[in-house]
Amino acid sequence: ILNVEQSPQSLHVQEGDSTNFTCSFPSSNFYALHWYRWETAKSPEALFVMTLNGDEKKKGRISATLNTKEGYSYLYIKGSQPEDSATYLCACTTSGTYKYIFGTGTRLKVLA
Amino acid sequence: GAVVSQHPSRVICKSGTSVKIECRSLDFQATTMFWYRQFPKQSLMLMATSNEGSKATYEQGVEKDKFLINHASLTLSTLTVTSAHPEDSSFYICSAGSHRGNQPQHFGDGTRLSIL
Repeated sequence: ILNVEQSPQSLHVQEGDSTNFTCSFPSSNFYALHWYRWETAKSPEALFVMTLNGDEKKKGRISATLNTKEGYSYLYIKGSQPEDSATYLCACTTSGTYKYIFGTGTRLKVLA
Repeated sequence: GAVVSQHPSRVICKSGTSVKIECRSLDFQATTMFWYRQFPKQSLMLMATSNEGSKATYEQGVEKDKFLINHASLTLSTLTVTSAHPEDSSFYICSAGSHRGNQPQHFGDGTRLSIL
């Protein structure tokens, strides 16, 4: 059974601080790693999809890296803003089934 | 970007009631849609994969007679929770997109189901 773990479960940061979260996953049969941003009362919004070891993706102040050999991905937010407050989900898919297995998310609260 | 509409957003009903949840892709055709369930403090768990024009594929432990899925058109999939009981109370959310696993999914807003 594929298990995707995210840490921390939640965190509070001050506006302007930079922060990062971790997503770990079994590296065998890895196919793709997805990051989503999920604001309360809205639908999850896709941030990044990464497939290759060493991949780095960036969108504005948010970036992500991927290490498929050791089975982890980091999501970084530079200069956090209150509007960054959301739950950040990662999901992994494996070759063969292509099913999305989600972590429990990291709930970020940026304090003004 | 692609938009998925899910309705209703909230349902409160008595035990024994059947509840239908709709998931529509508004600006693209979705041959595959996914239905997830999330219990408090747990991750989104895939319940079933809905395929247009054919039977849904259910995950292990999900009763197909309890959770009826219909995907009769390229823009609409429905999940019906039949004879719902309090243990079916949960957050249900659909997504649409490629089934190949390397493309982002487009999610609905979810449905909070509470069975009294």
